[in-house]
Amino acid sequence: NAGVMQNPRHLVRRRGQEARLRCSPMKGHSHVYWYRQLPEEGLKFMVYLQKENIIDESGMPKERFSAEFPKEGPSILRIQQVVRGDSAAYFCASSHTPETYYGYTFGSGTRLTVV
Amino acid sequence: QKEVEQDPGPLSVPEGAIVSLNCTYSNSAFQYFMWYRQYSRKGPELLMYTYSSGNKEDGRFTAQVDKSSKYISLFIRDSQPSDSATYLCAMSVGDSSYKLIFGSGTRLLVRP
Repeated sequence: NAGVMQNPRHLVRRRGQEARLRCSPMKGHSHVYWYRQLPEEGLKFMVYLQKENIIDESGMPKERFSAEFPKEGPSILRIQQVVRGDSAAYFCASSHTPETYYGYTFGSGTRLTVV
Repeated sequence: QKEVEQDPGPLSVPEGAIVSLNCTYSNSAFQYFMWYRQYSRKGPELLMYTYSSGNKEDGRFTAQVDKSSKYISLFIRDSQPSDSATYLCAMSVGDSSYKLIFGSGTRLLVRP
């Protein structure tokens, strides 16, 4: 049973380009969470999605960032017109219920570098 | 002031030592507490979770929560070089348990 799969592992974008990060949850999981980790910092919650719905996007920057989790296929975190400050590691996690008081499983992350 | 404070370290100990990692928090609404281990360039790996004050043991690891002091700890017994990693505490409130608030992590180095 594969874990949470993220790709690409590394992504380099020039300032102004778009970045698309993909996350395939664990089999049977319909809840996906995205976090961002800046260098030397802990993870910061960005967004919580269920299939075809955004449940909580309180941690998403107001501009340039969007997320989706379609009925078919992986969840996508999209960053338009990237800037240097978007350079970070982006992690997603998944669960089969929204009650996640026991924690959840993270993927290996996508490391975005903006040059 | 950050909601969750964690000493960044690095903490360097000899193999076999008992390690104590700590976090303090300011939000008394936090109910659920977790510890994650993160190796360099990898995703966080869940080690332990707890939701009540007191101790919870799992092998060489013991998680301790003191809600009255807003303080949580992770103890590692008989530390091994393979325990060298960054340890992140995380916590959440009851009505949005999916939203984890992380500490910034403590880097641990266990010397052979």
